Amino acid sequence: DTEVTQTPKHLVMGMTNKKSLKCEQHMGHRAMYWYKQKAKKPPELMFVYSYEKLSINESVPSRFSPECPNSSLLNLHLHALQPEDSALYLCASSQRLAGGSTDTQYFGPGTRLTVL
Amino acid sequence: DQQVKQNSPSLSVQEGRISILNCDYTNSMFDYFLWYKKYPAEGPTFLISISSIKDKNEDGRFTVFLNKSAKHLSLHIVPSQPGDSAVYFCAASSNGSGNTGKLIFGQGTTLQVKP
Repeated sequence: DTEVTQTPKHLVMGMTNKKSLKCEQHMGHRAMYWYKQKAKKPPELMFVYSYEKLSINESVPSRFSPECPNSSLLNLHLHALQPEDSALYLCASSQRLAGGSTDTQYFGPGTRLTVL
Repeated sequence: DQQVKQNSPSLSVQEGRISILNCDYTNSMFDYFLWYKKYPAEGPTFLISISSIKDKNEDGRFTVFLNKSAKHLSLHIVPSQPGDSAVYFCAASSNGSGNTGKLIFGQGTTLQVKP
């Protein structure tokens, strides 16, 4: 089973709203990722959690706040977003084996976010 | 600076024929390469991968070839089917010491398989 689930599937929010995106995996993976994808572009890495600790923040604006409550769950809290933040937000997970090993990321279906 | 490049934005192939998607990379530290398939408004689906210690990996209709000296990899789909029509992303990572888990994606190639 290589399933990563994301909720909600679609989200429309105003610039003053606060909302959260959720991601869950039950594959025992110890790394989880948030990506942003615009139309006709490749996924763009935002955050990496490794063993529930934030290991990479790709200079993402503070209006995006990630949280990893446990090894199976990853949240992305959204506040005061701009219309240009509208995109497909993808979650991924991987085993995060020790260095030198192959590490495949499996993606969820994404949340289509529209900021009005 | 694009470290992973897919120079063909699109490819059109007849059903039953071979599809060949190409990818070039510049970073010699990359040691693991992956291909993902993506339908519109869905997440990328992992297809096949190859470690830098191999030059070929096969899984059913999909074969990935790696030429390290040329820093080039390709995905072969034989025979191509209409359901293969999607955007294909090549991605690379470095899993040695200092592994950050970061995947570097190419820009994608849109494959259309005509019935």
